[in-house]
Formats: sequence, C-alpha cells, structure tokens
Amino acid sequence: GQNIDQPTEMTATEGAIVQINCTYQTSGFNGLFWYQQHAGEAPTFLSYNVLDGLEEKGRFSSFLSRSKGYSYLLLKELQMKDSASYLCAVRDHNAGNMLTFGGGTRLMVKP
Amino acid sequence: EAEVAQSPRYKITEKSQAVAFWCDPISGHATLYWYRQILGQGPELLVQFQDESVVDDSQLPKDRFSAERLKGVDSTLKIQPAELGDSAMYLCASSLGQTSNYGYTFGSGTRLTVV
Repeated sequence: GQNIDQPTEMTATEGAIVQINCTYQTSGFNGLFWYQQHAGEAPTFLSYNVLDGLEEKGRFSSFLSRSKGYSYLLLKELQMKDSASYLCAVRDHNAGNMLTFGGGTRLMVKP
Repeated sequence: EAEVAQSPRYKITEKSQAVAFWCDPISGHATLYWYRQILGQGPELLVQFQDESVVDDSQLPKDRFSAERLKGVDSTLKIQPAELGDSAMYLCASSLGQTSNYGYTFGSGTRLTVV
C-alpha cells in the first residue's frame, strides 16, 4: 500500500509565499502529482514530477526528492483565489499505475 | 476544452433507496476511474476501467455498489441500497493512458446526500 501525508490546514497572507509539504511511501514510484481543488469543485491538475528537482510553472513550483519520499508545492505571490485544497497524489507502477491521493491541505489566504 | 461530463450534479436520496451516477469521459480516453471523496478528505479510488474491462475494483463495496462501462465509453455507478455513510462527492476521472504526465482529468462530481 501507500502512505501519503500532508498537513491538514495552512494559513498564509496575500502576497506571501507558502510551501505545502507531502511525504509518501510507495513500492513502485512512478510520478507525483499536485492538484488544486476549490470547495465543491473537481480537482484540477497543477504539476507532475517524476525526476528529482524543481518544476516551475508561473507562480507555482513543485519539488521532488525520490530518495527522501518527499515533495513540496510552492505558491508565490499568493492571491485570494489560491484559497483551496491542494492534493498530493502518487502513481505506483506496482498498483496498476493508479493515483493514490493524500488527504489534502486546505490553504486559507488572508488579506 | 474537452471535459469529463457527470450527472446529476447533486442528488438527495433516502437510505435504502437506489441511486445511480453517470459519467462520460473525454473522447478517446480509454481509462476511466470512479473516486469517492468524503468532505475534508482526499479522493479514494472505487473502480478503474480500461475500455470496458474492470482493472481494479478491490475498494468497491460490492454488496451494494456496482459499476459498468458496457461499450467502453460512458459509465454508470450504482448504489443499492444507499446508506447514510455513502454521503460524499463521487468523482469520475479519465486519462489517455495509465502513464499520462497529466494524471487524470476529473469531472465536476456528483454530491450525494443520503437522509
């Protein structure tokens, strides 16, 4: 099975930077995904990491360390619309390449 | 932009009744997933289809849940009888293949409330 841990809630200020961490344990790692989910809506794809390092996409960046079983999502220049849940998901080739999701981190951005 | 279509968007049903959800994946996506998401938690996989075949339904409570994708396109998830603990968001997702770099595309979900 897989174990995916991320903080339940975080609060940050508009304009600031926030880092959301995710740790995982999996036998056949084959990629890590970050999704954003606004309340009552479907998750939407943010980023994908399969090799170690940083992937940057505008205000959002995602980092992966496979040896540590660790990833983070970095959000810069926070905006009020970034208030949402952020889901870390791991793909495991020993589990049919299905995505297993963490519990999500609810981010609240305050003025 | 291509979307995964789900209906209904909201459903309220009494316990012990039957309920069904429908999903139409993005055209050409062979892989289809049904997830259940309880409020405040991450999505949990119920069943995965590859074309019309079930790949994994190990987490599907088969005494009351069933899923089908008869022609390998749209899919139906059924619960009979519904229980109070089934109240959740039911998400359908599809992907071009099992190793897409974009993961899955999710539909808007069906919010089920069992009373």
